Amino acid sequence: AQSVTQLGSHVSVSEGALVLLRCNYSSSVPPYLFWYVQYPNQGLQLLLKYTSAATLVKGINGFEAEFKKSETSFHLTKPSAHMSDAAEYFCAVSGTNFGNEKLTFGTGTRLTIIP
Amino acid sequence: EAGVAQSPRYKIIEKRQSVAFWCNPISGHATLYWYQQILGQGPKLLIQFQNNGVVDDSQLPKDRFSAERLKGVDSTLKIQPAKLEDSAVYLCASSPRYSGGEIKQYFGPGTRLTVT
Repeated sequence: AQSVTQLGSHVSVSEGALVLLRCNYSSSVPPYLFWYVQYPNQGLQLLLKYTSAATLVKGINGFEAEFKKSETSFHLTKPSAHMSDAAEYFCAVSGTNFGNEKLTFGTGTRLTIIP
Repeated sequence: EAGVAQSPRYKIIEKRQSVAFWCNPISGHATLYWYQQILGQGPKLLIQFQNNGVVDDSQLPKDRFSAERLKGVDSTLKIQPAKLEDSAVYLCASSPRYSGGEIKQYFGPGTRLTVT
């Protein structure tokens, strides 16, 4: 079974500071990995995804994540936080073949930006 | 293109009552998913349809939850009877037909259910 663990349910950073949200995965085979963002009262929006191509993945809004197989990690970073980044972030994992593409989500990290 | 539509956006019911949620996926998307997101948790897949067939319903509490996707387009998720622990946001997502790796799910805004 596949799973992801997000370390830190709440993260606070100052505006302009580095954002680092941690995600570790567990999978018996190489998975696909995703980061989603959820703003209040809205659905989930895909930030970026890793599908076995480049290990450093760039997404929307200046976010990027690096797939590290040796550490089973897929941490999300952004060099400079903006107030608009305040939201809930979810890491997710899926299989790579038909019928196994369901997403398994972590418990989420709420990001607060301090002015 | 229009996104995934869901209705209602909010619903409050008493325990033991019934409730139904509706989802209209993006036009042409073959796969439709229903997720349950309990407060403070990540979304959990309840059921996955490929066209109008069920691919995965292993986490659907079948004694009280049911879902259908008639004609492979719209879908309805029903809870009967509801329990307090069913209070959650119910998210619908859709994706194009599987194409060898480009798996992207598009999420609707969700229906927030409160059971009192």
